[in-house]
Amino acid sequence: QVQLVESGGGLVKPGGSLRLSCSASGLTLSDYYLAWIRQAPGRGLEWVSYINRGDTTIFYADSVKGRFTISRDNAKNSLYLQMNSLRAEDTAVYYCATVHYGSGRYWGQGTLVIVSS
Amino acid sequence: DIQMTQSPSTLSASVGDRVTITCRASQTISGWLAWYQQKPGKAPKLLIYKASSLESGVPSRFSGSGSGTEFTLTISSLQPDDFATYYCQQYNSYSGTFGQGTKVEIK
Repeated sequence: QVQLVESGGGLVKPGGSLRLSCSASGLTLSDYYLAWIRQAPGRGLEWVSYINRGDTTIFYADSVKGRFTISRDNAKNSLYLQMNSLRAEDTAVYYCATVHYGSGRYWGQGTLVIVSS
Repeated sequence: DIQMTQSPSTLSASVGDRVTITCRASQTISGWLAWYQQKPGKAPKLLIYKASSLESGVPSRFSGSGSGTEFTLTISSLQPDDFATYYCQQYNSYSGTFGQGTKVEIK
């Protein structure tokens, strides 16, 4: 059974940092294209970052470029999102997902990030 | 950036109704268009990928069609479990863009 589990969310002050993790079971993340997608409370979905199978192509939304870094550790079967210089507008549930023909096939349950003083 | 516009934003329907949701792209897209269902407090669930391919395990009452800039999601006979919010999403150059969502409510 495929399962993705995000962790690392929480309350952080503006300007602070968090590192989100996405651990996988039932699949090998190194075989997949992966993405982080977020959803602000009561709002729609935003594609935040993407990494291809060989880690040779990485994408960031303009809203997070220069502040967020996506990475993976194949030995730990995990995906990460390092988030620096956090802003109130980064408050959201963050999901990791496998990317299949450009769509999110397997999703985690999400981890909530709240940026507030 | 490619913008995706869904219509309607809210749809009231009854069990057994045929429901159609439309998604329009601000420019022609390649056909890498997905549809998701989301229920409160849950992650989105993939229904359709590549505009018309039904994801494994998804009931056949869901179907997708379209090309170019206009795409549709059709539910042939609405079931009680289908009341939810639906999103379209396009994929281009490693980036995805979602529509604003369509909430399907009980009439």
